[in-house]
Amino acid sequence: GAGVSQSPRYKVAKRGQDVALRCDPISGHVSLFWYQQALGQGPEFLTYFQNEAQLDKSGLPSDRFFAERPEGSVSTLKIQRTQQEDSAVYLCASSPSSSGLVTGELFFGEGSRLTVL
Amino acid sequence: DQQVKQNSPSLSVQEGRISILNCDYTNSMFDYFLWYKKYPAEGPTFLISISSIKDKNEDGRFTVFLNKSAKHLSLHIVPSQPGDSAVYFCAASDGNDMRFGAGTRLTVKP
Repeated sequence: GAGVSQSPRYKVAKRGQDVALRCDPISGHVSLFWYQQALGQGPEFLTYFQNEAQLDKSGLPSDRFFAERPEGSVSTLKIQRTQQEDSAVYLCASSPSSSGLVTGELFFGEGSRLTVL
Repeated sequence: DQQVKQNSPSLSVQEGRISILNCDYTNSMFDYFLWYKKYPAEGPTFLISISSIKDKNEDGRFTVFLNKSAKHLSLHIVPSQPGDSAVYFCAASDGNDMRFGAGTRLTVKP
């Protein structure tokens, strides 16, 4: 499809397991964002890429969280040694903006719901 | 710290009436504001935006008002329709990233 695609849609992990969440942005979109949305909350910024460069990772909650976008298209968010507090929906969004500034709308995927038992 | 706040977790209105959703922000560097709409099991979708140089932007039934001095914006939906029932997120950007409020769940009753 033409939209942002995320996989898996649902992931259940045992505490301590590593997980990897994938995002396929809209083709040609330069900017890519990861957000974490806890139950009943709004999306919380995690990290931002412009092409393959990770320009801002200030929102990553700990060094267990790692994101990459090696070829400037698909991105992977990896969470090592998952904890129960990591349970949330992880949203990926892309934007055609090439200015490096967030001035337009973001196009969101459907999210990956992670449950850590 | 919550830089964007939506203090009403829910709102219920009758079909045909006006829905008013409110949002407050604390960061004076924000210069672009957006509203997103979210249905269950879907990602947020863009609804309407406004830049800080304006105080009003209208798109069909949707109007966003910005009061910079009060650091407040609102979304008006008139007339409200049952299909408008969703969670609405307010978002703000300073050009570097985008911050979201916690959302307001709007229910429009037939």
